[in-house]
Parts: sequence; C-alpha cells; structure tokens
Amino acid sequence: ETGVTQTPRHLVMGMTNKKSLKCEQHLGHNAMYWYKQSAKKPLELMFVYNFKEQTENNSVPSRFSPECPNSSHLFLHLHTLQPEDSALYLCASSQDGLDSYNEQFFGPGTRLTVL
Amino acid sequence: GENVEQHPSTLSVQEGDSAVIKCTYSDSASNYFPWYKQELGKRPQLIIDIRSNVGEKKDQRIAVTLNKTAKHFSLHITETQPEDSAVYFCAASAHTGNQFYFGTGTSLTVIP
Repeated sequence: ETGVTQTPRHLVMGMTNKKSLKCEQHLGHNAMYWYKQSAKKPLELMFVYNFKEQTENNSVPSRFSPECPNSSHLFLHLHTLQPEDSALYLCASSQDGLDSYNEQFFGPGTRLTVL
Repeated sequence: GENVEQHPSTLSVQEGDSAVIKCTYSDSASNYFPWYKQELGKRPQLIIDIRSNVGEKKDQRIAVTLNKTAKHFSLHITETQPEDSAVYFCAASAHTGNQFYFGTGTSLTVIP
C-alpha cells in the first residue's frame, strides 16, 4: 500500500530539537493535509495545501511549520515542541481540496513523542 | 465553526448483532458526511459517505442515515463480524470549504 507514505513512522525528540516529518502521495492528487490525532480527541486539521498553496491554517502554533514544495510532497517542520504535542500526525491527500466531496486518503502517520 | 459530537465512545456487540453509531453537528452549512474506519495501528479509511441531498445510503452491511432538520447522522452496521472491530470516525464538511470536522471516534468491539 503506497498511496500516501509518511516518514519517519516513529519519532522521539527533546523540546529543544528540530525535526521534520515528511509525507509523499503517489495518487496524482492536488490537495494535501496535516492532521493531529491525540487520544480521545477528534482528528484536528492543522494545515491544508491546495495546488501547493496553503489555504487553511487552523490557529496552529508557530512551532509547527509546514512546507509544500510540490503537489506530491508535504513537510511538517518541528521546533521547540512541548510534551503536549505528542500525538499521531497524519498526512492526507485528496483529488481537489476545493471540493470537499473528495475522499481523503490518509498516510500511516508518524507517532511523535516529545520528552 | 462546526462542532461534531459522536456517541458512544465505546461499543461492544456480539457477532451477528447490529451496531449503531450516532453523530450530531452544529453548522447547517455542512452538507457532506463521511465515515472513516481506523483499525488498530492503521490509517483511517473511508467506508461510506452521504451528501445532504439524500436521507439514506446503503452499501452491503453498512448504511448511513441523515436527518438534516435535527442535524444528526448515524452509521448502521448489520450482521457484525470480528473484522468490523475498529475505531469509527464521523465527519462533517461544507462543500465550499476544505475543512473536515471529525467526531471523537467510537471504538467498536465485535465479540466472536
């Protein structure tokens, strides 16, 4: 299953570290998303890119910085995170982010632990 | 903004019985309601969705109903099987936006 891939699958980092999460989609989609999944909380949409342009930023702290160099790749740069940022970070893609009827295809996620 | 509530948070049923998961939403502009299934350690996957112009949609053992007036929609799984055990998420979205608002999830366990 290689539609949407994410690396690394697991990441442990200290609060002063800088790391990046990577997402790649092989589906020819035009929209990509970052979600945060914490225990007993809804999936939280963090960022949306449509045709490489950021269209949504749901009041995410600046210690999370997204980058979308092209329609197939999406990064999430992490800097000076807090322990409460520990969660599963899911990447997703859809055919066209402007049409919400399109199915979202999720990646396997990166399990992030902040010490 | 939209607020999606999902109940119950956990559900156990005997194999062969039916399971029902309910969600409510607050924004009358929402018109698309997908359901995702997430098996343990795996990614969420779309299992069924419904648009606001219909009241019910069925796909084999899975059905979804929508009541726009009351702003609630439900997932129905009949003849449950152990492989139906997973966390199920409902979501709501308005066609004009990129935002998907998810419920908190229901952990379904089907007991053989």
